[in-house]
Amino acid sequence: AQSVTQPDIHITVSEGASLELRCNYSYGATPYLFWYVQSPGQGLQLLLKYFSGDTLVQGIKGFEAEFKRSQSSFNLRKPSVHWSDAAEYFCAVLGTSGSARQLTFGSGTQLTVLP
Amino acid sequence: EAGVAQSPRYKIIEKRQSVAFWCNPISGHATLYWYQQILGQGPKLLIQFQNNGVVDDSQLPKDRFSAERLKGVDSTLKIQPAKLEDSAVYLCASSLGQGYGETQYFGPGTRLLVL
Repeated sequence: AQSVTQPDIHITVSEGASLELRCNYSYGATPYLFWYVQSPGQGLQLLLKYFSGDTLVQGIKGFEAEFKRSQSSFNLRKPSVHWSDAAEYFCAVLGTSGSARQLTFGSGTQLTVLP
Repeated sequence: EAGVAQSPRYKIIEKRQSVAFWCNPISGHATLYWYQQILGQGPKLLIQFQNNGVVDDSQLPKDRFSAERLKGVDSTLKIQPAKLEDSAVYLCASSLGQGYGETQYFGPGTRLLVL
């Protein structure tokens, strides 16, 4: 069965600083990986996804993520954080459950942005 | 394009009562998902529909939870009777299909508090 680990429960950065959120996955085959963001009271919004090809994936809001097969990682980065980026971030892997394709999420990383 | 709609947004009930949540997916989306998100955790898939058929309900507590998708469009998720541990946000998501390239779009969720 697939699994996702987000080692950092909470991260605090200053506005304008760079950001990296860690994600490690476990999946036997080629992984399909996602990053979602959840603002308070909102549903999850897709930031970016990786299926194949270039291991550096660009997403919305200036985010990017790099797939590293050797490290089973898919870390999310942003060069300069804005106060509006404060939210919870979830990494997910698409696997299978019987005949169904199923998203398995990590437990999330809460991002606080200091002025 | 209208997003995934859910109602109600909030619900407070006492244990052993019943409750129902409603979801209207994005028009034309064949696949519909219900997730449970307990505080401090990532979303966990409860049930997945393809049109009006169930694809995966392996993680649905069937002794108290039920779900249906009438005519392959709207869906309802019911809990009867509710337990304290059912307090969570219930997220509905939809996608065009089940393919690996499909993105799941999430609604704002229903926050349930069981007292």
